Amino acid sequence: EPEVTQTPSHQVTQMGQEVILRCVPISNHLYFYWYRQILGQKVEFLVSFYNNEISEKSEIFDDQFSVERPDGSNFTLKIRSTKLEDSAMYFCATMGRGSGNTIYFGEGSWLTVV
Amino acid sequence: SQQGEEDPQALSIQEGENATMNCSYKTSINNLQWYRQNSGRGLVHLILIRSNEREKHSGRLRVTLDTSKKSSSLLITASRAADTASYFCATDAGTYKYIFGTGTRLKVLA
Repeated sequence: EPEVTQTPSHQVTQMGQEVILRCVPISNHLYFYWYRQILGQKVEFLVSFYNNEISEKSEIFDDQFSVERPDGSNFTLKIRSTKLEDSAMYFCATMGRGSGNTIYFGEGSWLTVV
Repeated sequence: SQQGEEDPQALSIQEGENATMNCSYKTSINNLQWYRQNSGRGLVHLILIRSNEREKHSGRLRVTLDTSKKSSSLLITASRAADTASYFCATDAGTYKYIFGTGTRLKVLA
């Protein structure tokens, strides 16, 4: 079964540092998402991306966050200046027209800000 | 807000028993999806049910949808220890996002 691949699986970073989380979507998928899950809490929507632009974003997705597809394949989430409260599992998800609206998730990138 | 709410928050059953989890949401949807999450892992898609469907089956899973009550249920029959996980519903409203519920933590005792 096709997979969404995320890297790194775990990253520890100093507060104030920039972090880039990477995602390789399922081939031919056109809709991309980032979600986050703080330990023990619910899965929160951050942003959706389609046709090379943000489709929708949540209140969490403030100016310190950005997304892009730099090379037409990878989909990245950048956190410009990390805060302690950014510590969470970040999930990339993708959906394709042929997948019947099913969203497929990666295994996540666990970010720890110290 | 669109956010779904699952209940119960936690459920503990014996292996072989059935487990039922419920999800309620607030606005109209096009479809609803159920996911499983093992501790510290990613979200695994279980089943999608469209707004014009009332019931759907997949193996030991049975999902129902009542759009008039804005609720869905996930039934796992003949549960196994390996079913121990958190289960989430996710709803869309025709926008480019899916909103997840708070989840049900299921523990199946061997």
